[in-house]
Amino acid sequence: AQSVAQPEDQVNVAEGNPLTVKCTYSVSGNPYLFWYVQYPNRGLQFLLKYITGDNLVKGSYGFEAEFNKSQTSFHLKKPSALVSDSALYFCAVRDGAADNRLAFGKGNQVVVIP
Amino acid sequence: NAGVTQTPKFQVLKTGQSMTLQCAQDMNHEYMSWYRQDPGMGLRLIHYSVGAGITDQGEVPNGYNVSRSTTEDFPLRLLSAAPSQTSVYFCASSYFRQDTGELFFGEGSRLTVL
Repeated sequence: AQSVAQPEDQVNVAEGNPLTVKCTYSVSGNPYLFWYVQYPNRGLQFLLKYITGDNLVKGSYGFEAEFNKSQTSFHLKKPSALVSDSALYFCAVRDGAADNRLAFGKGNQVVVIP
Repeated sequence: NAGVTQTPKFQVLKTGQSMTLQCAQDMNHEYMSWYRQDPGMGLRLIHYSVGAGITDQGEVPNGYNVSRSTTEDFPLRLLSAAPSQTSVYFCASSYFRQDTGELFFGEGSRLTVL
């Protein structure tokens, strides 16, 4: 079964500094990887995904993520954090095209300090 | 564009009561799913469906029933509510077996069982 680990509970970063949220995954087949963001009292919003191709994928709101197959990682990054980036971030994985079930990590609270 | 619509947004039940959380999507998605979100545990899959008339269990199915009589609707039934079912419930949908694969989420239903 597929699974995701997000090792940090909370990430604190000063506004304007680079932001990194870590994610490692486990899957038996080809990994399809996703990042979602959740603002307070809202549903999850899709940020970006890796299916195949270039290991660096770009998504919404200036976020990007790097797929590393040897380290089974898919870390989310943003070069310059904004206060409005403060939210809960989830990494998720599915086992290729045949299985739509997404397994989510426990989430990382990002706090951007003005 | 309504997307994924969940009702009710808030509900308080007494132990032993039953209720149904409604979910409807207008994107003609074959795949629909229910997750529960609990602090520190991320999102856990309850039940899912790959099309009308087809449902299957996820990671935490006990105490919940689902049915899929139409493509649009995927209700979640709590048979006899327990305090352990206090949670935020999310319905999500996507196209089935396509590389796009990202889930579209509803705004959530917050359930409290006393």
